[in-house]
Amino acid sequence: GIQVEQSPPDLILQEGANSTLRCNFSDSVNNLQWFHQNPWGQLINLFYIPSGTKQNGRLSATTVATERYSLLYISSSQTTDSGVYFCAVLHEQGGKLIFGQGTELSVKP
Amino acid sequence: EAQVTQNPRYLITVTGKKLTVTCSQNMNHEYMSWYRQDPGLGLRQIYYSMNVEVTDKGDVPEGYKVSRKEKRNFPLILESPSPNQTSLYFCASSLWGGGYEQYFGPGTRLTVT
Repeated sequence: GIQVEQSPPDLILQEGANSTLRCNFSDSVNNLQWFHQNPWGQLINLFYIPSGTKQNGRLSATTVATERYSLLYISSSQTTDSGVYFCAVLHEQGGKLIFGQGTELSVKP
Repeated sequence: EAQVTQNPRYLITVTGKKLTVTCSQNMNHEYMSWYRQDPGLGLRQIYYSMNVEVTDKGDVPEGYKVSRKEKRNFPLILESPSPNQTSLYFCASSLWGGGYEQYFGPGTRLTVT
């Protein structure tokens, strides 16, 4: 089955710093999503990005499907960015999303 | 507002007492799914439904039942909960199961004592 690996597993930033999170996947995919799980456990959709580049405020994402990776950029980080960031790819059978293990981000004031 | 809702958000119950976690979406989505999230194991799919009256097992279906009698609702039923079903549960939906963006509910924290 498809393997999804995220790096780094943990990241500590000072407020205002920039960061790049990476997601590698082992096979071609038709869907890739980035989520933020906040400290209350909610999964927030950030990007639906099977290919190309998208931006939403301080966040942007790029997926290079042919090279099987995606990047999530966070600029001018804020304490509210803290939490776990997941990438997930679509497994065709049953529409199941395969999640990476996540990157736990902590932004210090 | 387009959303997936789950109820209850938090539940503490005892072993063997039947419970239902409801899930509803207002986006006219065909596809709905349940996941559970556990430390060290990540998110795993329990059951999914491609359309009304069509359901199928995911990776960890043991101990759970589902039904899809109408498009908007997809309840998760635990007939006889056990402590190993203590988990964070998410319902998700998408327009279709084959490549569209999936939207998640707020989660249900279940503790079985």
